[in-house]
Amino acid sequence: QQQVKQSPQSLIVQKGGISIINCAYENTAFDYFPWYQQFPGKGPALLIAIRPDVSEKKEGRFTISFNKSAKQFSLHIMDSQPGDSATYFCAASRETSYDKVIFGPGTSLSVIP
Amino acid sequence: GAVVSQHPSRVICKSGTSVKIECRSLDFQATTMFWYRQFPKQSLMLMATSNEGSKATYEQGVEKDKFLINHASLTLSTLTVTSAHPEDSSFYICSAPGTGGNYGYTFGSGTRLTVV
Repeated sequence: QQQVKQSPQSLIVQKGGISIINCAYENTAFDYFPWYQQFPGKGPALLIAIRPDVSEKKEGRFTISFNKSAKQFSLHIMDSQPGDSATYFCAASRETSYDKVIFGPGTSLSVIP
Repeated sequence: GAVVSQHPSRVICKSGTSVKIECRSLDFQATTMFWYRQFPKQSLMLMATSNEGSKATYEQGVEKDKFLINHASLTLSTLTVTSAHPEDSSFYICSAPGTGGNYGYTFGSGTRLTVV
């Protein structure tokens, strides 16, 4: 019940295209759903996060869509750029309980020119 | 914003020796610190949770005698890999929950441990 599932495992998108990564969770106690971006040799960096009281959050080219009833959320990267090539992790936690962050298995994104 | 400083960023040690990794919260008090391990091309897996002033809580399958965690103060948590072996080579990352009304989590920059 603590798992966070993520797909696809890898993704290749052309420059300017839309990258979409999907995640699903089971634990309805989760109340914080962040996405992290990680470059090789670096720690994960928070990209964008959403809480269950909204269905969508947009920051620049990055949008999270959240479906509470389906227990699913997704990341959309608009106008994908080669610099977006990285590994993306969705995650979930019981933030208000200061509980640990549970990470999805990750998606390796390659944006080709 | 909240910053967690993690050192060292890279360390190479010989088999059988011990290595200490430090995480310091620079501008906030971290009563809790999460320690993660990441193998190449894999996700971050929680190893243990440290709380200031009490014993750390280890995840199933993590040897507490091998991975010693000390949360000595509200700004410092350390992970010591004792009697390191090549299979302990990994990327170790700490993370602290946010503070005040602005939640979220702050991650250290990670430590690449190579045991030779």
